[in-house]
Amino acid sequence: KNEVEQSPQNLTAQEGEFITINCSYSVGISALHWLQQHPGGGIVSLFMLSSGKKKHGRLIATINIQEKHSSLHITASHPRDSAVYICAVDGNQFYFGTGTSLTVIP
Amino acid sequence: KAGVTQTPRYLIKTRGQQVTLSCSPISGHRSVSWYQQTPGQGLQFLFEYFSETQRNKGNFPGRFSGRQFSNSRSEMNVSTLELGDSALYLCASSFGNRYEQYFGPGTRLTVT
Repeated sequence: KNEVEQSPQNLTAQEGEFITINCSYSVGISALHWLQQHPGGGIVSLFMLSSGKKKHGRLIATINIQEKHSSLHITASHPRDSAVYICAVDGNQFYFGTGTSLTVIP
Repeated sequence: KAGVTQTPRYLIKTRGQQVTLSCSPISGHRSVSWYQQTPGQGLQFLFEYFSETQRNKGNFPGRFSGRQFSNSRSEMNVSTLELGDSALYLCASSFGNRYEQYFGPGTRLTVT
């Protein structure tokens, strides 16, 4: 049983394209996190959400608590956005999605 | 401000041995969480400590244990190592529940 489902698993985009990654979860949560992992392993926290919408530069994250769904959007994608994006939810413990591997081609 | 540090960065051990990994959180952070990452299972939660108390534990056998010291530094221990314990072990620190987590670079453990 997967408490967190992410889609798509893999995504290839041309530079400049608008990208959306989706995350659905089945447990009660206090917060949802979007993480970015580059080759080599380092993980950076992009967003922590408990409601509504947040924006950092070209990245936008939204969450719908009633529907148990969140989306991560990247506007005007760039090759440096190539990474694995992971959705994680903070329930009675942390649950992680399997990640979305994004490749942005120049 | 220094980030989260983990030592050692790389480790090779033999089946049956035990290992201790260390995590130093960002100054002022009282919560430390540990995660295991493998190609097959992805990221999985091991445990979380806050002010020297284990607050949550994931679904791992008792061979996996941890502790947190009064200065918030944390260690995790794996006893009787198995080949399947080969993984990247990550720790993350935060001010506490519902705060952003800051991840360390990880310790890559190889069990042969």
